[in-house]
Amino acid sequence: NAGVTQTPKFRVLKTGQSMTLLCAQDMNHEYMYWYRQDPGMGLRLIHYSVGEGTTAKGEVPDGYNVSRLKKQNFLLGLESAAPSQTSVYFCASNPGLTYNEQFFGPGTRLTVL
Amino acid sequence: DQQVKQNSPSLSVQEGRISILNCDYTNSMFDYFLWYKKYPAEGPTFLISISSIKDKNEDGRFTVFLNKSAKHLSLHIVPSQPGDSAVYFCAAESGQGAQKLVFGQGTRLTINP
Repeated sequence: NAGVTQTPKFRVLKTGQSMTLLCAQDMNHEYMYWYRQDPGMGLRLIHYSVGEGTTAKGEVPDGYNVSRLKKQNFLLGLESAAPSQTSVYFCASNPGLTYNEQFFGPGTRLTVL
Repeated sequence: DQQVKQNSPSLSVQEGRISILNCDYTNSMFDYFLWYKKYPAEGPTFLISISSIKDKNEDGRFTVFLNKSAKHLSLHIVPSQPGDSAVYFCAAESGQGAQKLVFGQGTRLTINP
């Protein structure tokens, strides 16, 4: 099993450009999450999904959109990137129900100039 | 408002000694707590957890203690090894569905030979 994978690993954008980050998991997990990590801030939840076709807002959803068309994939979109979105983005998954542990991908480092 | 706080950004410990990492929380609804370990350029990996109905959980060199009345938990690593050098995140699960986690800011642990 590859676990949780993220594409791309690095990306540099100019202000106003758009992009999509892809997260894929091969563990048949129900729940998936997108976080951003900034210095001194820990990990903050952007959006999450509790199943195929469902999404919900987390703590810092503004400027981002998500989609979960297939159970194994969770996409994070930035429609018009801003320098404040420069961060490291982590995707995670969880089997669902009463399972507490989340499994994380390796991260995507995004720089917006 | 930071619901989970790790007030020590960094900690330096000699190899073989005990490392103690601390975490405080404010939300009494949190019912499950986890510690994650993160190496540079990698995603966080699960280390150990504890339910709010317990006050201690042990796994090899790692022990987590929970003091509910003080809203405080700590991670003890004994003995500390060079491979333990990493950033450690404390996280709390709210028990309100979707297994969402709230993370602390992280503590960078350095084990000196």
